[in-house]
Amino acid sequence: DAGITQSPRHKVTETGTPVTLRCHQTENHRYMYWYRQDPGHGLRLIHYSYGVKDTDKGEVSDGYSVSRSKTEDFLLTLESATSSQTSVYFCAITSTGARTDTQYFGPGTRLTVL
Amino acid sequence: QQQVKQSPQSLIVQKGGISIINCAYENTAFDYFPWYQQFPGKGPALLIAIRPDVSEKKEGRFTISFNKSAKQFSLHIMDSQPGDSATYFCAASASGTYKYIFGTGTRLKVLA
Repeated sequence: DAGITQSPRHKVTETGTPVTLRCHQTENHRYMYWYRQDPGHGLRLIHYSYGVKDTDKGEVSDGYSVSRSKTEDFLLTLESATSSQTSVYFCAITSTGARTDTQYFGPGTRLTVL
Repeated sequence: QQQVKQSPQSLIVQKGGISIINCAYENTAFDYFPWYQQFPGKGPALLIAIRPDVSEKKEGRFTISFNKSAKQFSLHIMDSQPGDSATYFCAASASGTYKYIFGTGTRLKVLA
């Protein structure tokens, strides 16, 4: 599992409330990612980070922000949750190697916005 | 051009049969093609991957076939087992980008 944990694992919240999801990794990987998974859409990149305080937008970044103040933690914030953000959220890291850079995923957070 | 198109959306195979999932891409800069397996309630896990310098890679019952000219690659699961029932995602990446583009997934069910 590349030492990736996500918290919380499940969350139910109401429309308009702020929500923060946490991703924690123990292996000092530089690259970290947040994806959302929805039926029929596969895995879509929300934001990614290539180092402390270095982040960039993915294909579905509207309504989301991220922060990375430490190598090990990557936070995803929904400033004002909407029902369309009900999804399963996965954090991932890239393990860089001599020939291949491989992504490994965390266990996921199921978020329901009522 | 950034899309990876995956088919079929779902697949039902008898135990012992061959499962085949196909993916196609447009971006010729892609040079790494992994497949992920995901069980319900779990994160995707790397299953097998290929680079375009070979046309086939086999690991146990799992084989990737790669057709560079057609810009297509496929996953073959030989002797499919009920334990293979999962969702499979193909992906593509270009060196140095550290970003993957994923297909939409195939839900495989292997009947006992």
